[in-house]
Amino acid sequence: GAGVSQSPSNKVTEKGKDVELRCDPISGHTALYWYRQSLGQGLEFLIYFQGNSAPDKSGLPSDRFSAERTGGSVSTLTIQRTQQEDSAVYLCASSPARTGAPVEQYFGPGTRLTVT
Amino acid sequence: GDSVTQMEGPVTLSEEAFLTINCTYTATGYPSLFWYVQYPGEGLQLLLKATKADDKGSNKGFEATYRKETTSFHLEKGSVQVSDSAVYFCALSGNTGRRALTFGSGTRLQVQP
Repeated sequence: GAGVSQSPSNKVTEKGKDVELRCDPISGHTALYWYRQSLGQGLEFLIYFQGNSAPDKSGLPSDRFSAERTGGSVSTLTIQRTQQEDSAVYLCASSPARTGAPVEQYFGPGTRLTVT
Repeated sequence: GDSVTQMEGPVTLSEEAFLTINCTYTATGYPSLFWYVQYPGEGLQLLLKATKADDKGSNKGFEATYRKETTSFHLEKGSVQVSDSAVYFCALSGNTGRRALTFGSGTRLQVQP
């Protein structure tokens, strides 16, 4: 079956521009995560969506970052007024809802963002 | 807060050598532990997991045992292959709430023929 897809795969933007990154999770997965993979910070959590609940935004590094998830499926991560330190690979992951111990998170291929 | 520490790389081994990649963690409660692998040009994939103390996760010849007393989850393989060359990430997750992964810094493994 189809895995997690992300678009675009690569994005080059000028400092100060806004960018939108898209994630299509696996069908039926209610949990969706955004992570960032950068040279300086490694892999870090950004935001979490679970069904129709309010998202957990505790990992967002600044108020320039926002995300939404429409209809409990597709998610968009928006970075406003991009800075060079935003350059990183942005990873999306989805997971089926479960109680108890966590289950596997399935990762997309990522979007490589370069801010010039 | 939660954290994961894993050995610096790169680790360079000859084919059929024994592999150990050390991983220790700090967390409140009793997290679940994972090893993820990132092959060149590919996305992160779950390699194995363990959800409680003394559990052993295993997959593709790799093993790791959840050691609560030493807060460790070291990855081992008895005989590595060139195809095992990749970056390996140790990670933990709480068992309630958001269950977001906290990752170590990653260890690059290079296996030479």
